[in-house]
Amino acid sequence: EVQLVQSGAEVKKPGESLKISCKGSGYSFTSYWIGWVRQMPGKGLEWMGIIYPGDSDTRYSPSFQGQVTISADKSISTAYLQWSSLKASDTAMYYCARGGYCSSTSCYPPPGLIDYWGQGTLVTVSS
Amino acid sequence: DIQMTQSPSSLSASVGDRVTITCRASQGISNSLAWYQQKPGKAPKLLLYAASRLESGVPSRFSGSGSGTDYTLTISSLQPEDFATYYCQQYYSTLRDTFGQGTKLEIK
Repeated sequence: EVQLVQSGAEVKKPGESLKISCKGSGYSFTSYWIGWVRQMPGKGLEWMGIIYPGDSDTRYSPSFQGQVTISADKSISTAYLQWSSLKASDTAMYYCARGGYCSSTSCYPPPGLIDYWGQGTLVTVSS
Repeated sequence: DIQMTQSPSSLSASVGDRVTITCRASQGISNSLAWYQQKPGKAPKLLLYAASRLESGVPSRFSGSGSGTDYTLTISSLQPEDFATYYCQQYYSTLRDTFGQGTKLEIK
């Protein structure tokens, strides 16, 4: 069974750093893209960026480039989303999500098609 | 960047009704479109991909159609468990504005 299990809720102050995690199981972690999606309170879904754990190829949405860092440790099948200095506007639910599959020769479906989601990590930033 | 415009933003309907939600892309996306359902406090769930392909385990009352820039999600006969928020997503270009703004389907 494919599972993406995210780390627990966080409460932080503005200016603090944070790294949240997403552990994949039940599939070949290095063969599928993993993305991060933000959902601010009462709002819609926003695509933040995506990483291919097999070679750490990482792409960011222009809206989030420079604001967060996406990484992965394939030895423990875990992807990360990191902030160096949080703002109150970072308060949101963050979901990790499994994207497309890549073999040694090709990728299908495309990276951005999500078939499994983590349960979400609520990040609250408040002074 | 590809913009996704979803309509309506909210919709009231009754059990048994047929409902349609529309998603328009700012440029052609070659059927690279998915639909997700999200219930309060839960992660989204994939319903359809490639515009019209039903994800495994999703009831057949859900269907999708469209091509080019215009796509629709249809629920043929609403069930109580279908009241949720629905999002379209283009995965033709994995960049910003990938998702539509959502359609909240409420009980009339």
